[in-house]
Amino acid sequence: AQKVTQAQTEISVVEKEDVTLDCVYETRDTTYYLFWYKQPPSGELVFLIRRNSFDEQNEISGRYSWNFQKSTSSFNFTITASQVVDSAVYFCALIHYNQGGKLIFGQGTELSVKP
Amino acid sequence: DVKVTQSSRYLVKRTGEKVFLECVQDMDHENMFWYRQDPGLGLRLIYFSYDVKMKEKGDIPEGYSVSREKKERFSLILESASTNQTSMYLCASSYQMTGYYEQYFGPGTRLTVT
Repeated sequence: AQKVTQAQTEISVVEKEDVTLDCVYETRDTTYYLFWYKQPPSGELVFLIRRNSFDEQNEISGRYSWNFQKSTSSFNFTITASQVVDSAVYFCALIHYNQGGKLIFGQGTELSVKP
Repeated sequence: DVKVTQSSRYLVKRTGEKVFLECVQDMDHENMFWYRQDPGLGLRLIYFSYDVKMKEKGDIPEGYSVSREKKERFSLILESASTNQTSMYLCASSYQMTGYYEQYFGPGTRLTVT
């Protein structure tokens, strides 16, 4: 079975705090891709990052970083020095390379960054 | 930049009406998708399409149909709208090329059925 679990339903932090959003996935396949999306209050899901199962290098993009660990089936997302504009719902998603493009989404984590 | 547009941001319809939600993408993507998003239920796939005139059921196709007559356009049809179809509807598109599966989403249509 394929499944993505985001155990944190809601997180609230104060601006400039670092925050990590957890994502744990289940799959029996060896070739798959993982994604993070951001959904701000406006509603549109914005693609943030794609990772394939053979690339465990951590990635950093500005204040965003991602930690992919196959040993624990996790793909966690850290925002450093959070800002109010980071307030959104964040989704982790999984796809198998032969699944024809069907993403499996986690339930999402709602992040609230207070000034 | 990939652009996925949806015909309306907000829509109010009456029970029993036939409703059309339109989605257009400008990146020549092969795949297109329709989701609905409800609080506590996350994103659920309604229908998707790999090519013109092709469609496949997702997880919750009941009460919906789709049409894809042109590659760039994917329509979701509510044959007879019901109040339990009040939801946010999101359209997405993606390439079929191996390794490029990220889906690009439109702004969403918030549909209210009264």
